[in-house]
Amino acid sequence: DVKVTQSSRYLVKRTGEKVFLECVQDMDHENMFWYRQDPGLGLRLIYFSYDVKMKEKGDIPEGYSVSREKKERFSLILESASTNQTSMYLCASSLSTGASENTEAFFGQGTRLTVV
Amino acid sequence: AQKVTQAQTEISVVEKEDVTLDCVYETRDTTYYLFWYKQPPSGELVFLIRRNSFDEQNEISGRYSWNFQKSTSSFNFTITASQVVDSAVYFCALRGGTASKLTFGTGTRLQVTL
Repeated sequence: DVKVTQSSRYLVKRTGEKVFLECVQDMDHENMFWYRQDPGLGLRLIYFSYDVKMKEKGDIPEGYSVSREKKERFSLILESASTNQTSMYLCASSLSTGASENTEAFFGQGTRLTVV
Repeated sequence: AQKVTQAQTEISVVEKEDVTLDCVYETRDTTYYLFWYKQPPSGELVFLIRRNSFDEQNEISGRYSWNFQKSTSSFNFTITASQVVDSAVYFCALRGGTASKLTFGTGTRLQVTL
């Protein structure tokens, strides 16, 4: 069964802290994504990765970085958390577009981050 | 640039009513893929359907049906005889031909009451 697991369901961090959000998938997918979900704005792409150690900026990368050292794991890093980064963060994975038409993304359960 | 518009922010219906969720998209790609996802209160997005740009056949799956019309750039989702368990936020999404990322609409919150 398809599985994307995010390390935390809820997190509370202080302003200025360095925050790590972890995501693991067990489907051997090439692509992994980090989205942020805010009311009225839908899902916005922060970063994505199409291979180990490869990454591309999404629509709102400012204030974030990512790491993909292994194929199954994709980490989102908030270098210095700020209150405007309070949000729901969703990780997803999918097959490579060249491998198959079945490129729907599968999502984790989300991490609700509050920065105080 | 790609764009997905879900103009309906919230819809409220009584159980057993039919409801249609609208999705309008913009893309310059000739090959593209459209998706619908459901996000129940638990928070996890659940994949419902994928549609290719070269296949305009409508699809029915139980109480769910999808109407894809390239002429109007729309990919609408209808739930027949709605149930309380259908209450969720529904997202429409678009992926261009060779691109990896999905572009999402802002979602439609559906509330089904008894």
